[in-house]
Amino acid sequence: GAVVSQHPSRVICKSGTSVKIECRSLDFQATTMFWYRQFPKKSLMLMATSNEGSKATYEQGVEKDKFLINHASLTLSTLTVTSAHPEDSSFYICSANGGGSSYEQYFGPGTRLTVT
Amino acid sequence: LAKTTQPISMDSYEGQEVNITCSHNNIATNDYITWYQQFPSQGPRFIIQGYKTKVTNEVASLFIPADRKSSTLSLPRVSLSDTAVYYCLVVRDDKIIFGKGTRLHILP
Repeated sequence: GAVVSQHPSRVICKSGTSVKIECRSLDFQATTMFWYRQFPKKSLMLMATSNEGSKATYEQGVEKDKFLINHASLTLSTLTVTSAHPEDSSFYICSANGGGSSYEQYFGPGTRLTVT
Repeated sequence: LAKTTQPISMDSYEGQEVNITCSHNNIATNDYITWYQQFPSQGPRFIIQGYKTKVTNEVASLFIPADRKSSTLSLPRVSLSDTAVYYCLVVRDDKIIFGKGTRLHILP
């Protein structure tokens, strides 16, 4: 089946710095990618929809200037957490839509961000 | 998107059949019902999807009554490795909104 990778799998950064997380579709082209955040014991929360070649669409309550999303190619979307704070520590997961029928959405393995 | 309601948690024993029911009263004509499985610190994994009646694959079955206001995921002969969170989702176009999920705990 289709594979979505994320890099890094884990990252620890100091408060005030920025962190970039990459999401790649390895064997298919993804016109749309999604970014989620998940806190411990909680469900996934959709943050934004990333469209190749255009601006991302953010969900209500998600700061677009803090969570910068770039979908520069059909296989890569990046999420940059700017000026990270400890409350941004979370599990970030991306998914990619391969097009076609509605179930063709594949999730990455997630990135554990810890801000100290 | 239609809201889904499913049990917060369930326990079962190895070798048993487990049925998890989800309600989605406001499902629309174009919506599909999809189930995902998630292990701790991993991304969700697609299990099965259906529109109506019954769908079966190598890991599960999905039962959807005619009114489509609910669905039941059936896991045959579960093992300890099936301990995970199971999410029932209503998918419209390509946008997925996750509900709280069901935390399934398989006991030896």
